[in-house]
Amino acid sequence: NAGVTQTPKFRILKIGQSMTLQCTQDMNHNYMYWYRQDPGMGLKLIYYSVGAGITDKGEVPNGYNVSRSTTEDFPLRLELAAPSQTSVYFCASSYLGTGSNQPQHFGDGTRLSIL
Amino acid sequence: ELKVEQNPLFLSMQEGKNYTIYCNYSTTSDRLYWYRQDPGKSLESLFVLLSNGAVKQEGRLMASLDTKARLSTLHITAAVHDLSATYFCAVLTSGTYKYIFGTGTRLKVLA
Repeated sequence: NAGVTQTPKFRILKIGQSMTLQCTQDMNHNYMYWYRQDPGMGLKLIYYSVGAGITDKGEVPNGYNVSRSTTEDFPLRLELAAPSQTSVYFCASSYLGTGSNQPQHFGDGTRLSIL
Repeated sequence: ELKVEQNPLFLSMQEGKNYTIYCNYSTTSDRLYWYRQDPGKSLESLFVLLSNGAVKQEGRLMASLDTKARLSTLHITAAVHDLSATYFCAVLTSGTYKYIFGTGTRLKVLA
């Protein structure tokens, strides 16, 4: 059981370039999330999705876009990379049924540097 | 706006000692979570707390939840070096299904 898989693990971008961070989960979870973690800091929510076709903004959505065409996949798009987007990006998924005691499951992260 | 605050932010303690990490949140929440993160790694789930008065224990760690005080604690008993990590609490916001994370507590256990 792979859980949450993120690709790539590392990437260096030039200012103004664009890229897509991939996230796939195989647990049939309804909810998926993208976070960024700056050095020495906590996690900030970028976007989340409650199911295929439905997405919503988190705390820090500017500069990012998402889509959710299937239950399994939740890619994060950076259109015009800026140095402020240098961070570690985590994708997570969870099942949130009534009374669910399941935690979020996290991918291994993508370490992104914008130079 | 929901805020989740942890204290202390940094904790250096001797092996064998006990200590408590506190997690305060500013509004009602359905559920509270504790995670551990090792340097350069992802987050690992420790506890899920669903109701007022909930207490869970795993090894030297025990977590509790007081929803009336909007407070959760993570108690460390007889710390060992392997517990050195950053610990995060996270709150699930009622009705929106967004998780808000605390700032984290960086724990270092000295031999």
